[in-house]
Amino acid sequence: EPEVTQTPSHQVTQMGQEVILRCVPISNHLYFYWYRQILGQKVEFLVSFYNNEISEKSEIFDDQFSVERPDGSNFTLKIRSTKLEDSAMYFCASSDQLNTEAFFGQGTRLTVV
Amino acid sequence: LAKTTQPISMDSYEGQEVNITCSHNNIATNDYITWYQQFPSQGPRFIIQGYKTKVTNEVASLFIPADRKSSTLSLPRVSLSDTAVYYCLVGTKGGTGRRALTFGSGTRLQVQP
Repeated sequence: EPEVTQTPSHQVTQMGQEVILRCVPISNHLYFYWYRQILGQKVEFLVSFYNNEISEKSEIFDDQFSVERPDGSNFTLKIRSTKLEDSAMYFCASSDQLNTEAFFGQGTRLTVV
Repeated sequence: LAKTTQPISMDSYEGQEVNITCSHNNIATNDYITWYQQFPSQGPRFIIQGYKTKVTNEVASLFIPADRKSSTLSLPRVSLSDTAVYYCLVGTKGGTGRRALTFGSGTRLQVQP
């Protein structure tokens, strides 16, 4: 079965530092997403990406966040200056069309200290 | 996006059929209904998607009445490994410039031996 891979699985960073979370979506998919889940809470939508640009972003996705598809395979989420409240599990997902079956990665657990 | 309402939790026993109902009273004409499953510390996993009547795959069935204001996910003969959170999502699919699916609080299913 095809899978979305995310690295690292766990990242610890100091408040104020920049972090880059990496994802390799499924190769023939066109839509890419980032979601996050704070421990014990629901999965929250951050951003969707299509045709090399942001398709939609939520209120959470402020100026501290950015996404990039630097090459044909990777999809990254950058947080410029991390805050304690950014601590969460971040999930990358991809789908062939908007809102068709999305495949999620195993997530990156970000801990900001 | 249509708001969804599901029970917070459900309990069942191994071997039983479990039906989880989701209400989506303001579903739009072009909206599809999608269900995901999430195990602790893992990304959500697509279960099934439908528009009307009944959809069945190797994992579950999805029943959608004619008015489409609710839907029921049916899991036949659950096992302990079906213990998870189940999410009902509603939204359009395909096209561009539309909103990505968002997760609600889900239904926590606990299967007992």
